[in-house]
Amino acid sequence: GAVVSQHPSRVICKSGTSVKIECRSLDFQATTMFWYRQFPKQSLMLMATSNEGSKATYEQGVEKDKFLINHASLTLSTLTVTSAHPEDSSFYICSARPGLPTKNIQYFGAGTRLSVL
Amino acid sequence: GQQLNQSPQSMFIQEGEDVSMNCTSSSIFNTWLWYKQDPGEGPVLLIALYKAGELTSNGRLTAQFGITRKDSFLNISASIPSDVGIYFCAGPFNSGGSNYKLTFGKGTLLTVNP
Repeated sequence: GAVVSQHPSRVICKSGTSVKIECRSLDFQATTMFWYRQFPKQSLMLMATSNEGSKATYEQGVEKDKFLINHASLTLSTLTVTSAHPEDSSFYICSARPGLPTKNIQYFGAGTRLSVL
Repeated sequence: GQQLNQSPQSMFIQEGEDVSMNCTSSSIFNTWLWYKQDPGEGPVLLIALYKAGELTSNGRLTAQFGITRKDSFLNISASIPSDVGIYFCAGPFNSGGSNYKLTFGKGTLLTVNP
């Protein structure tokens, strides 16, 4: 159980285009989903917290107009990187939190490797 | 924000050896989580700890929640090549109201030589 599906696993796009990444909890409902960014050989950096039906909460320094997050249902959150530039190239990972009784456990997707040319 | 100090940063061991890594914090945590991340993949939950002093096993992995609630360790016994990866400790902290975020250690990169 507790499977999180993230799609696509890899995307290459041209500078200036927008890219949408989907995160789905397959066998549980997630009132809260999280989006992380990871640079090579570094730990996960939280970008934003997404609650179903409400606006996402962004971490300091993360541009909300650049990284649009939508959490339309209890099983789906999307991250859209708008007007992507080469510096946005990174590994993006989503996670979902089932809530009680698993408390604060987060289950992660497999990640999306974004390359902006 | 909350910070977790994870050590060692990397380990190179021979197949069959035991491995130990740990995390410490200046703050008290009510939960400790251990994840493993393979290259190009997302982290996978290995063990979750909820009570001070708790010792929990998952196959060859054993993790303990420190009595002070400020530390945790993960042991891997009889390592095998597929144990290679980055191991992260993580703990939730209250970011306001009922919202909890995870803070992560910087990870321990494990290399196992066959």
